[in-house]
Amino acid sequence: DGGITQSPKYLFRKEGQNVTLSCEQNLNHDAMYWYRQDPGQGLRLIYYSQIVNDFQKGDIAEGYSVSREKKESFPLTVTSAQKNPTAFYLCASRSWGGDLSYEQYFGPGTRLTVT
Amino acid sequence: LAKTTQPISMDSYEGQEVNITCSHNNIATNDYITWYQQFPSQGPRFIIQGYKTKVTNEVASLFIPADRKSSTLSLPRVSLSDTAVYYCLVGDPTYGAGSYQLTFGKGTKLSVIP
Repeated sequence: DGGITQSPKYLFRKEGQNVTLSCEQNLNHDAMYWYRQDPGQGLRLIYYSQIVNDFQKGDIAEGYSVSREKKESFPLTVTSAQKNPTAFYLCASRSWGGDLSYEQYFGPGTRLTVT
Repeated sequence: LAKTTQPISMDSYEGQEVNITCSHNNIATNDYITWYQQFPSQGPRFIIQGYKTKVTNEVASLFIPADRKSSTLSLPRVSLSDTAVYYCLVGDPTYGAGSYQLTFGKGTKLSVIP
C-alpha cells in the first residue's frame, strides 16, 4: 500500500530534550510538509521541502529543524528552543504531476507531549 | 495567499444536504479552491478542488460563482460519519508559483445529529 507513515503515534519527552519525529512516504512525491495543530485550531506550516536537499521555513519554523536527504524521508526535530512543543504534528506529501491538483496526502500524525 | 472566512460550526440532521460557504474576496487569478475534511486525531483528507462553476465527485459538489469571491461545499444526505472539520483553502497549485504551502484556518466544525 502506498502512503505516508509517521512514527511514533504518541511521544512523551521531558522539557529540554530534543526529539525527532519520523515521516516516510512511498508515493514517490516530490514535496513534503510538516504541520503543527493545537487543540481546536487549524494547521500551521512548520517547514516544507520541494525536492531533496532543499527545504524552506513555513510560518512557525522557530525551534524546529528538518532534513531532506532522501526523497522518501522528511524527519522533523523539535528542539529545546521550541517554547511550547506539545501538539499534534502532521506530515504531508504532494506530487507536482502537472495536474494542478492541490491534493496533499497526510500521515496519521504524531501527538507529542512535553512535560 | 488568499485569506478565507467560513463559519466556525454548523449542525445538521442525518439525511439532509449541507452547504458550507467560504468567502475569499482577494482570490487571485491563478488560485484554485480546495476543501479538506478532518476527523479528530487524524490528518486532513482531500475532498474536492475547483477553479470555477461547478465540480462534482462521488463525495461532494463545489459551487463557485462567476466572481469567484466565494465557494460552497455541498454534502448530499449527510450521515453521522460526516461529522468532522471542513477546511476551505485557496492558492495557486502550479509548480514555481511560490505558494506551495497550504494555509489551513480553523475550518467549519460540522456536527451531524441523528
